[in-house]
Amino acid sequence: GAGVSQSPSNKVTEKGKDVELRCDPISGHTALYWYRQRLGQGLEFLIYFQGNSAPDKSGLPSDRFSAERTGESVSTLTIQRTQQEDSAVYLCASSFLIPGAAGNTIYFGEGSWLTVV
Amino acid sequence: KQEVTQIPAALSVPEGENLVLNCSFTDSAIYNLQWFRQDPGKGLTSLLLIQSSQREQTSGRLNASLDKSSGRSTLYIAASQPGDSATYLCAVTGFQKLVFGTGTRLLVSP
Repeated sequence: GAGVSQSPSNKVTEKGKDVELRCDPISGHTALYWYRQRLGQGLEFLIYFQGNSAPDKSGLPSDRFSAERTGESVSTLTIQRTQQEDSAVYLCASSFLIPGAAGNTIYFGEGSWLTVV
Repeated sequence: KQEVTQIPAALSVPEGENLVLNCSFTDSAIYNLQWFRQDPGKGLTSLLLIQSSQREQTSGRLNASLDKSSGRSTLYIAASQPGDSATYLCAVTGFQKLVFGTGTRLLVSP
């Protein structure tokens, strides 16, 4: 696709329910990232994929959070037993090369806005 | 651990002014530095990327500089316009991820 696509764009869920957030990266991009941004705060790194592998999942805040990527394309971020503090916008990004490659621009989607009530 | 700081946190200027946004980082072992713009309720739009071997990049009215040894970058916006109003984020790239600053919220008044 032309850009990074995320769905749903907005999700309201009840505390304790599970949610799945989807990211479609730019076609051909090998690197994919998930970030979280709480209201009025900065971006927190969650996980990075290179291909279908996640060499860095150090940012996942708890074992309720998991992510997978298949076909070196679509990624799903799953939050189990959601809590109110999970309310945030979840941003996905992709890039053609590994993060540290010179001149490697990283492109972001519009985000999935999650509200846990 | 890399830490990125942006100053000022907020800035309000009249239309037409030239302005400078500052970004500093604690670990100079970076690969790239990227400036983004974030509009309310939207994702991030990439503005400029500076490789660690470069000193500056320009795009239209935007100019970004990088002094890697001192851990600083600046984003210069010339002849500001109301449409420039947004939050500006800088991010430094280590080997495997970007680390973001908390942003500068810019308001340009007509």
